[in-house]
Amino acid sequence: NAGVTQTPKFQVLKTGQSMTLQCAQDMNHEYMSWYRQDPGMGLRLIHYSVGAGITDQGEVPNGYNVSRSTTEDFPLRLLSAAPSQTSVYFCASKAVQLVTEAFFGQGTRLTVV
Amino acid sequence: GQQVMQIPQYQHVQEGEDFTTYCNSSTTLSNIQWYKQRPGGHPVFLIQLVKSGEVKKQKRLTFQFGEAKKNSSLHITATQTTDVGTYFCAGVGGYQKVTFGIGTKLQVIP
Repeated sequence: NAGVTQTPKFQVLKTGQSMTLQCAQDMNHEYMSWYRQDPGMGLRLIHYSVGAGITDQGEVPNGYNVSRSTTEDFPLRLLSAAPSQTSVYFCASKAVQLVTEAFFGQGTRLTVV
Repeated sequence: GQQVMQIPQYQHVQEGEDFTTYCNSSTTLSNIQWYKQRPGGHPVFLIQLVKSGEVKKQKRLTFQFGEAKKNSSLHITATQTTDVGTYFCAGVGGYQKVTFGIGTKLQVIP
């Protein structure tokens, strides 16, 4: 019963470094998404995907790239980390049907120094 | 684009008092979902409302969806310390995009 698995749980980066946050789900969900959570800002959508090969931007896409080569995986890439990207990142997936819930990963706490 | 506003942002209540959080969307929603996030945890689905005017209950929690499908509320009767956390509403729009409100952080004072 893995659900949505995010790695790593914690990460410290230096400004300018790049890294990839991993997200995998084993529920065969078509829809996957990345959010960042900052104090007082709620959950803001970064990028989302409705199926393999299809991605689109959310509210705050700048500085992040995604790809969806398989149904299971949806990695989030930070190209050149900035202190403003210090946040908690959540990956979520859901089936593409009207009455379905989103399942979240445990989150990745990223600090950029 | 779709925006979901939620108030209040913070709420402190004495244990046993009631609590309500409100959610408003700038556009008509196909459905609305509610999630709870415990401190240090991840959001967990509570319920989904689909029909105009729908009311659903889960024990002490009552969820309502407005007639115009643009607003919703979550009411907790007689709060307990286990209710502590942040409550989010989320609108599901085109292409199944899920947009979250800012959340209401509930503190319950024993």
